[in-house]
Amino acid sequence: EDQVTQSPEALRLQEGESSSLNCSYTVSGLRGLFWYRQDPGKGPEFLFTLYSAGEEKEKERLKATLTKKESFLHITAPKPEDSATYLCAVPAGGTSYGKLTFGQGTILTVHP
Amino acid sequence: EAGVTQFPSHSVIEKGQTVTLRCDPISGHDNLYWYRRVMGKEIKFLLHFVKESKQDESGMPNNRFLAERTGGTYSTLKVQPAELEDSGVYFCASSPLITTDTQYFGPGTRLTVL
Repeated sequence: EDQVTQSPEALRLQEGESSSLNCSYTVSGLRGLFWYRQDPGKGPEFLFTLYSAGEEKEKERLKATLTKKESFLHITAPKPEDSATYLCAVPAGGTSYGKLTFGQGTILTVHP
Repeated sequence: EAGVTQFPSHSVIEKGQTVTLRCDPISGHDNLYWYRRVMGKEIKFLLHFVKESKQDESGMPNNRFLAERTGGTYSTLKVQPAELEDSGVYFCASSPLITTDTQYFGPGTRLTVL
């Protein structure tokens, strides 16, 4: 059974204090790993898809990386507006478009 | 381009009643998914439509849940009769058929069963 574990569960940062979120996964035949951002009362908002070990993608202050066992979401010089829950998910083993298995998420709070 | 929309945004019902949730996917998206997040737990898959056909309904908890997607456009998820443990946030997502794998999520329907 596919498994996704995120850590830490919650992270409090001061504005400008860089850090990383972790997503460990167990899935056979990984065809992609997704990062989403979720604000309170809203649905998950797509950030990145990573397909192979060594791949990196960036968007503003966020950079996602992927290894064979885990993915990291690096946040550089965060701002209060980066506060949200960050979710990672993998599609069912051997597929790229099937059901997603989600981690529990990391709640990020950035204080001014 | 309009995103995935869901209706209602909130629903409060009593145990034993029936509730129907609706999802309108992004226009032209053949894949439609339903997920649910129960308080304190991760988002979990319920089922997957490709056009009007059920591709995968392995996540449906029991036969009190009925999903339909007539004509391959919008979808409804009916819970009948509702139980306390059905409370949670129900998300719908859509994606184009095969060409891309990114699922785009709606804002969710928060269901409270009293």
